[in-house]
Amino acid sequence: NAGVMQNPRHLVRRRGQEARLRCSPMKGHSHVYWYRQLPEEGLKFMVYLQKENIIDESGMPKERFSAEFPKEGPSILRIQQVVRGDSAAYFCASSPGQGQSYEQYFGPGTRLTVT
Amino acid sequence: KNQVEQSPQSLIILEGKNCTLQCNYTVSPFSNLRWYKQDTGRGPVSLTIMTFSENTKSNGRYTATLDADTKQSSLHITASQLSDSASYICVVGSLGGSYIPTFGRGTSLIVHP
Repeated sequence: NAGVMQNPRHLVRRRGQEARLRCSPMKGHSHVYWYRQLPEEGLKFMVYLQKENIIDESGMPKERFSAEFPKEGPSILRIQQVVRGDSAAYFCASSPGQGQSYEQYFGPGTRLTVT
Repeated sequence: KNQVEQSPQSLIILEGKNCTLQCNYTVSPFSNLRWYKQDTGRGPVSLTIMTFSENTKSNGRYTATLDADTKQSSLHITASQLSDSASYICVVGSLGGSYIPTFGRGTSLIVHP
C-alpha cells in the first residue's frame, strides 16, 4: 500500500514561470490538504480539497495560486508567475475522512526553488 | 484564536540522554493531539495521537502525555539516538468548525554522538 506520493520532488523555476505540483493520495483517501513550509518555519495550511471540491482555501494566497482535485488523477497545486518568495517546500497530506479526528498522512514534499 | 506553542524552539543533547519537549495549546473545543516527527527533507510522520480521555501514549522510546485541564502536552524521548535528530511538531484538532487542525512551529532536536 503506497503512501502519499508527490512529484516532482524538486522543481526549479525562473521568475514568471508556472509551477505545477502533484499529489497522489493514499489508496482509499479522498481528502487532500496542501501545506507550505519556509526554511526554519512551521507548516502553514493552504487548502483542503475533496474530490472535485474545494472545502477550505483560507490559507491560499488570493492571486497566482490555485488547487484542484479532479475525479480522476492527482491533486494539483498550481502557482502562476512564480516569484522568489514562493521558494519553499510544499507538502500534501491525505486522510480517509472529513474532519480533524482523521489522521493526515504526509507526502515527502516538493521543494520549489525560484531563480 | 486557536494556538499551539512549542518549547524549546531547539534542543541539543548527547546520544543516550533523555529529553522532554513541551506543547501548550489554546484550541477549543479540544478533539485530539498528535505529535509528528519530521526528518530533514522529508514529510512529517505521526508518532502518537491522544484524545481527551487519554493522558499518556507510548510508541517505542517516545512517550506523550496530555493534561487536558492545563492544556499541556509533553513528548518524552528516552535513551536518545542519532536518528532522533529531527523536528517534532505538535498538532491539535478541535471539534466542529474548521476542518483544519492547528500546528505548532516545532522543536528542532539535535542529538550529538
